[in-house]
Amino acid sequence: SQQGEEDPQALSIQEGENATMNCSYKTSINNLQWYRQNSGRGLVHLILIRSNEREKHSGRLRVTLDTSKKSSSLLITASRAADTASYFCATGKGAQKLVFGQGTRLTINP
Amino acid sequence: NAGVMQNPRHLVRRRGQEARLRCSPMKGHSHVYWYRQLPEEGLKFMVYLQKENIIDESGMPKERFSAEFPKEGPSILRIQQVVRGDSAAYFCASSPPATENGYTFGSGTRLTVV
Repeated sequence: SQQGEEDPQALSIQEGENATMNCSYKTSINNLQWYRQNSGRGLVHLILIRSNEREKHSGRLRVTLDTSKKSSSLLITASRAADTASYFCATGKGAQKLVFGQGTRLTINP
Repeated sequence: NAGVMQNPRHLVRRRGQEARLRCSPMKGHSHVYWYRQLPEEGLKFMVYLQKENIIDESGMPKERFSAEFPKEGPSILRIQQVVRGDSAAYFCASSPPATENGYTFGSGTRLTVV
């Protein structure tokens, strides 16, 4: 069964606003990762949060993980036009396959 | 320090031909993963390889698809007798044994079957 279901499927906001995307998963995990994909390009790793962590920051990114609810959120603060992309969460266990969700398409309007 | 290199970037094949997709992992990375992405969808896992070994091929179709990662040279994803439904973007990713920093993805090969 598919892990990592993102919500919403699409999000459109004004530049400067914050963007929040959510991800739910079904089975136990060792870590959860967020990736960005610009149109027609490969995925870029943004941040990894381990199952024993609750929150992690990287620049304008903030990721939370709630293992009791099997959910994670990605917050992008002070959004910029360059943040326009699709964002995927992926769950993994060690050096094994990652299972990706369908992604959230984020559009930042100038 | 080149990233994950995939070639070709675009590949057009007629139905029934063979497609060979190549992936050179990052230096020092011994794990390679292949994923397929259909338009407007997420990535679907196909196969996970280490040097000379297939570790997990649970996402690979049983027929026409094969993958290898030889001791020397790039990893190859091979699709025999392609059909229109094989048209997709195929992404390769690599990682060291401990994936604390996530995967590094290549730019993908966009396969079009005509």
